[in-house]
Amino acid sequence: DTGVSQNPRHKITKRGQNVTFRCDPISEHNRLYWYRQTLGQGPEFLTYFQNEAQLEKSRLLSDRFSAERPKGSFSTLEIQRTEQGDSAMYLCASSPEGATTAYEQYFGPGTRLTVT
Amino acid sequence: LAKTTQPISMDSYEGQEVNITCSHNNIATNDYITWYQQFPSQGPRFIIQGYKTKVTNEVASLFIPADRKSSTLSLPRVSLSDTAVYYCLVGDSTGNTGKLIFGQGTTLQVKP
Repeated sequence: DTGVSQNPRHKITKRGQNVTFRCDPISEHNRLYWYRQTLGQGPEFLTYFQNEAQLEKSRLLSDRFSAERPKGSFSTLEIQRTEQGDSAMYLCASSPEGATTAYEQYFGPGTRLTVT
Repeated sequence: LAKTTQPISMDSYEGQEVNITCSHNNIATNDYITWYQQFPSQGPRFIIQGYKTKVTNEVASLFIPADRKSSTLSLPRVSLSDTAVYYCLVGDSTGNTGKLIFGQGTTLQVKP
């Protein structure tokens, strides 16, 4: 078990550019989540996958955000036409299928995005 | 998910036991109580989960009274490395997606 990994760890981009982040969950976990966290706040839910199906998407996610999990393994989160308000830590988490284990999520180290 | 209320911050000293209480007055019958720990610049880490009475693991204990309207996370003999933000969450275990809704958490500062 190597844990959840995220790449890159840091990303600095100029406003208007597109960025893509990758998350590799724990291999046997079929649930995958993306969260966003700004300074001083708790993480905010963005979206959820069960295997390759995107089952829930937060209203916080504008049309500029898209997430995929093509083969039910790794996932990508893309932000198009970045804005300064997108600056945040983007966290990925995974969990195994199961009623009570859904809340026992394993988080990656996050990708810190800075939009200048 | 049920709303939770917990202190914004707490201070303690090394070697002391720390108890962080979380209120969740609107907890539903199917809701479980989960606690996470987060260090700066890291993702949250699952600590403990319970439904009622007491749960203990190698890291912490979770005390839940009979009415389940509150819960207390107990950290025995804290060290400087326990300085972190602690989040209390409640959520439905039946047919759920596992979406976590975090509040602001409790910032615990352990002093030498």
